[in-house]
Amino acid sequence: LAKITQPISMDSYEGQEVNITCSHNNIATNDYITWYQQFPSQGPRFIIQGYKTKVTNEVASLFIPADRKSSTLSLPRVSLSDTAVYYCLVAPASFQKLVFGTGTRLLVSP
Amino acid sequence: DADVTQTPRNRITKTGKRIMLECSQTKGHDRMYWYRQDPGLGLQLIYYSFDVKDINKGEISDGYSVSRQAQAKFSLSLESAIPNQTALYFCATSDATSGRTDTQYFGPGTRLTVL
Repeated sequence: LAKITQPISMDSYEGQEVNITCSHNNIATNDYITWYQQFPSQGPRFIIQGYKTKVTNEVASLFIPADRKSSTLSLPRVSLSDTAVYYCLVAPASFQKLVFGTGTRLLVSP
Repeated sequence: DADVTQTPRNRITKTGKRIMLECSQTKGHDRMYWYRQDPGLGLQLIYYSFDVKDINKGEISDGYSVSRQAQAKFSLSLESAIPNQTALYFCATSDATSGRTDTQYFGPGTRLTVL
């Protein structure tokens, strides 16, 4: 499994764009990058998944450079309700055991 | 996600007691998982099942057992609970997806306290 490194915590203010970078230097050719969001005392929720370049949905964007050794989750114009823990996961399509690290704790202030 | 339910939501028990946590899903998914989460940490996989006849150990299966009674039901048992099994337990489901990693859908969690 790829070794994941992401910041322990980040602070932001309402209305700002937040970028959370995840490092996965030993990512394998068939690995996908997935991000989950977890609110306190709730189960994680899928945000976005990508393989390369850029993926965008109604919630976030995921930027993956050509070497795929890192990825950046971008949350546009965050609100207080975006305060949560964000997990970066790397796993191959054929390997369904997801490994959740400690994630990045994002705090959005007024 | 209301499609994945867990019972009970909270449970306090004593050391040595047998405990069963239940998970039901209406998503029609074949794959189900049990995770535990300790305060401030990520989730650790306990057991997973890709169909009714398939049960696999995860990272931390010692002290736990599971039963897949039907496609929609996956139960986790602690045969003799101990205090360091105090944690938040999550059930999750996913549907087999070719070409990419499954999206997992999590239940609301069960908070278990072992005294």
